[in-house]
Amino acid sequence: DIQMTQSPASLSASLGETVTIECLASEDIYDILAWYQQKPGKSPQLLIYDASSLHTGVPSRFSGSGSGTQYSLKINSLQPEDFASYYCQNGLSAPHTFGSGTKLEIK
Amino acid sequence: QVTLKESGTGILQPSQALSLTCSFSGFSLSTTGICVSWIRQPSGKGLEWLADICWDDGKGYNPSLKNRLSISKDTSNNQAFLKITSVDTADTATYYCARSDWGYNAYYFDYWGQGVMVTVSS
Repeated sequence: DIQMTQSPASLSASLGETVTIECLASEDIYDILAWYQQKPGKSPQLLIYDASSLHTGVPSRFSGSGSGTQYSLKINSLQPEDFASYYCQNGLSAPHTFGSGTKLEIK
Repeated sequence: QVTLKESGTGILQPSQALSLTCSFSGFSLSTTGICVSWIRQPSGKGLEWLADICWDDGKGYNPSLKNRLSISKDTSNNQAFLKITSVDTADTATYYCARSDWGYNAYYFDYWGQGVMVTVSS
């Protein structure tokens, strides 16, 4: 199984700040990586796929990058609705493993 | 408009079997490239993919639970089902169904249901 190690587990930031979340795969996943946002009591929503492609309707302040085993999600100019949990996911092979999540909180 | 909705037993006792139904609209499980997965999330914890079923009736299971899982579909009625046998307290979680489309040439979950909470308790 491909293991996905996500960091940090939690993050405090202020409105307008820029934050970065990291995801490390246990082997090369060839950019086949997705990022999801989950708000409390809601289901996860696809943000980014293929490491850097924005899903339909996702604001451009979200961006993804990386290659091989190392990937990151960057959120520019944090808005109130961005405070949520974020998960990376291996889209290359089953089982389709997720990172352990990053909880982004308001400072 | 794609929608998915989960339903199933809310509270079970240890050793019982859990049956879940995913009812969906806006797509068909007979369309090439479409799959439906089950994913669960214990309260306050991360996401765990459990199983999937695809347009060609292909099925996949998480090896960590494979012997306890059974996935099936009713294409005519736009439903997918998951059965988990011999549940215990570790199976307490919110269970989601989600759609995947191989049009991405990869396995991503582009639409999710709202989730159904399942509690296993004696």
